[in-house]
Amino acid sequence: KNEVEQSPQNLTAQEGEFITINCSYSVGISALHWLQQHPGGGIVSLFMLSSGKKKHGRLIATINIQEKHSSLHITASHPRDSAVYICAVGNQFYFGTGTSLTVIP
Amino acid sequence: SQTIHQWPATLVQPVGSPLSLECTVEGTSNPNLYWYRQAAGRGLQLLFYSVGIGQISSEVPQNLSASRPQDRQFILSSKKLLLSDSGFYLCACQREEIGELFFGEGSRLTVL
Repeated sequence: KNEVEQSPQNLTAQEGEFITINCSYSVGISALHWLQQHPGGGIVSLFMLSSGKKKHGRLIATINIQEKHSSLHITASHPRDSAVYICAVGNQFYFGTGTSLTVIP
Repeated sequence: SQTIHQWPATLVQPVGSPLSLECTVEGTSNPNLYWYRQAAGRGLQLLFYSVGIGQISSEVPQNLSASRPQDRQFILSSKKLLLSDSGFYLCACQREEIGELFFGEGSRLTVL
């Protein structure tokens, strides 16, 4: 069993749609990270959160420590949001396999 | 702010040849440093991490090694590459008191 499970693995959305990506984990953590990997391979940190909710622009991340679950939401999705979104937890980091998002104009 | 530089960005090497990937960090001191590998279509796999100069922990037994000769320098090496070493290698940095992860641009290795 993987320590981090993400769903869905692949997601295609129309521009403007509200998107949700889910992450469940089985290890105890102090923080959870949401990362974005663009087609060229570069990875950018979107959020680090240990409780509650964080918002940055059109992106919202929530975490429920008791349920060991986090969600990443994208409001008013845009083609430039197309990327792989990765959830990571743990001290040396366990990574989910990522959710590949494609937003169609 | 922190920046991470990784090089080379792309390399093609024959089986059995040596490897050296270098990562340097600017804008912070005494960071935790990580080497990850991402095989095609797979998730990130932790290879090595370091909490200080000369301190290296390995997560996966393999023909790769890592060294941290200076506080902000992390090197990934191999004496003899295997075909299975092909992949995308990422260096990452974390300031312990903040915890956010910063990644280098990545190095894409193809072993032929």
